[in-house]
Amino acid sequence: GQQVMQIPQYQHVQEGEDFTTYCNSSTTLSNIQWYKQRPGGHPVFLIQLVKSGEVKKQKRLTFQFGEAKKNSSLHITATQTTDVGTYFCAGVTNQAGTALIFGKGTTLSVSS
Amino acid sequence: DADVTQTPRNRITKTGKRIMLECSQTKGHDRMYWYRQDPGLGLRLIYYSFDVKDINKGEISDGYSVSRQAQAKFSLSLESAIPNQTALYFCATGLAHYNEQFFGPGTRLTVL
Repeated sequence: GQQVMQIPQYQHVQEGEDFTTYCNSSTTLSNIQWYKQRPGGHPVFLIQLVKSGEVKKQKRLTFQFGEAKKNSSLHITATQTTDVGTYFCAGVTNQAGTALIFGKGTTLSVSS
Repeated sequence: DADVTQTPRNRITKTGKRIMLECSQTKGHDRMYWYRQDPGLGLRLIYYSFDVKDINKGEISDGYSVSRQAQAKFSLSLESAIPNQTALYFCATGLAHYNEQFFGPGTRLTVL
């Protein structure tokens, strides 16, 4: 079936280091969304990418959507302890509006 | 998000019991979803509903049923709970698959 793979599963960094999580789909995506879940919390929407090659920035976070619309990445520059949590990508695979398919997430820990 | 509420927040039950998890929203969204989260497995879709008369199976619907009693209410039932249904359950709402989903605070279910 349709899958969205996300790597790495876990990442530990020192505060101030950069962090990147990657998302790959077995099929072309109509769009991709990113969510953040803080420890003990619920997923919260960060951003949606729709266009091939799209790049969006939110302060220290940079989101990219691949040219083939099959992969995406989230890069955090100079991590802070507030960045701790699990980051999920979620893809929509066709215009008919099937439900989001979530990756398994990357859990980020940051030590100061 | 306080606009999406889930009850109960925690529940411990025994194998074979019937249990219902409830979700209510005041966002006026037409689409509602039930997800299950297990460590290392991310979020998996159980059922989703595009409106009151629409129910769709997700990736892991076996052992679960749902009821969309009104636009604002979407309930998930476990007819005969089993231990491997122990998980964190999230309800989410949305206006359309191309827009963000808003998650409730989650229900932690333990089946003994």
